[in-house]
Amino acid sequence: AQSVTQLGSHVSVSEGALVLLRCNYSSSVPPYLFWYVQYPNQGLQLLLKYTTGATLVKGINGFEAEFKKSETSFHLTKPSAHMSDAAEYFCAVTSYSGAGSYQLTFGKGTKLSVIP
Amino acid sequence: NAGVTQTPKFQVLKTGQSMTLQCAQDMNHNSMYWYRQDPGMGLRLIYYSASEGTTDKGEVPNGYNVSRLNKREFSLRLESAAPSQTSVYFCASSAQGNTEAFFGQGTRLTVV
Repeated sequence: AQSVTQLGSHVSVSEGALVLLRCNYSSSVPPYLFWYVQYPNQGLQLLLKYTTGATLVKGINGFEAEFKKSETSFHLTKPSAHMSDAAEYFCAVTSYSGAGSYQLTFGKGTKLSVIP
Repeated sequence: NAGVTQTPKFQVLKTGQSMTLQCAQDMNHNSMYWYRQDPGMGLRLIYYSASEGTTDKGEVPNGYNVSRLNKREFSLRLESAAPSQTSVYFCASSAQGNTEAFFGQGTRLTVV
């Protein structure tokens, strides 16, 4: 069974500081990995994804993530936080569950606060 | 292009009542999902449908049933609502199971 662990349920950074949100996964097969963002009272929006190929993935709003197979990690970073980045972020992993089916499993989420 | 549409957006039920949450997508996606979101728990998969005519249980299926009515629509039914089912429910769809999922705006359900 696959699982996703996000370290830190709540992270606070100052405006302009580095954002680092951690995600580790377990999967018995090569995973597809995603980061989603959720703004208050809204659904989830895709930030970026890793399927195959380049391990450094760039997404929207200046975010990027690096797939490190040896560390089973897919941490999300942004060089300089903006007030508008305050939201909840979810890491997710997809893996094949047989008969053409895939399951998308989410971590518990990390709420990012940006301090002016 | 509406994407994934969920109805209703809000609902209050009494314990023991039944209701159906509706979800429709207009992106011709094969896979559809129902999740529940609770504080500190992330999103937990209730049921999913890899393609029209198939449904499978996810992590927390007890107390729920689903119907993949056609390729566009995937409904979630609560036969006898319980306070533990108070949650925000999200429907999602993806072209294939290993591609990104698109989410609806959610249904906030309160069972009293």
